[in-house]
Amino acid sequence: GAGVSQSPSNKVTEKGKDVELRCDPISGHTALYWYRQRLGQGLEFLIYFQGNSAPDKSGLPSDRFSAERTGESVSTLTIQRTQQEDSAVYLCASSLAGTSGGLSIYEQYFGPGTRLTVT
Amino acid sequence: RKEVEQDPGPFNVPEGATVAFNCTYSNSASQSFFWYRQDCRKEPKLLMSVYSSGNEDGRFTAQLNRASQYISLLIRDSKLSDSATYLCVVKRGSTLGRLYFGRGTQLTVWP
Repeated sequence: GAGVSQSPSNKVTEKGKDVELRCDPISGHTALYWYRQRLGQGLEFLIYFQGNSAPDKSGLPSDRFSAERTGESVSTLTIQRTQQEDSAVYLCASSLAGTSGGLSIYEQYFGPGTRLTVT
Repeated sequence: RKEVEQDPGPFNVPEGATVAFNCTYSNSASQSFFWYRQDCRKEPKLLMSVYSSGNEDGRFTAQLNRASQYISLLIRDSKLSDSATYLCVVKRGSTLGRLYFGRGTQLTVWP
């Protein structure tokens, strides 16, 4: 079946502009996560959505970052007034919640990411 | 202190070699442990979960020491296709929740 998809795959923007990044999770996955990976660094958590619960926004680095999710489908990450330090690969992941045949199925499946370059 | 610390590498080994990666985590509330693999300019993919009793998947063996908060990954009989960055990952719960990633250890297997 289809995996997590993200768009655009690459985005170059000028400092100070706003950008929107899109994530389409695997159908039926209730949980959705955003991470970012700066060059040569590990993945940093940004935000997590689970069903109708309030999102965990604890990883958002500043109030220029926000994200929305419509139900259990598409999510959009918005970065306002982009800065050069925002340059990174933004990765989205989704997961099921529950068990299947006694095995945990909380594995997070990652999309290919959006490579953001702020000039 | 970072939540997850890994050997920085890089590791460069010949085909057929055995290589081991180590990782420590700082939060004793961590309950779930994983190794992910990330190929160059690609997304991370789950290699294997790590269980308390240790577990093996073909040429890959993972160990967990909760007392020392230490995780390891052993790769036997390395293949060229094993060349990648290996990410040590922990989660504080056993169900849903954010993942904490190490910076990764780069492995290159040469012929």
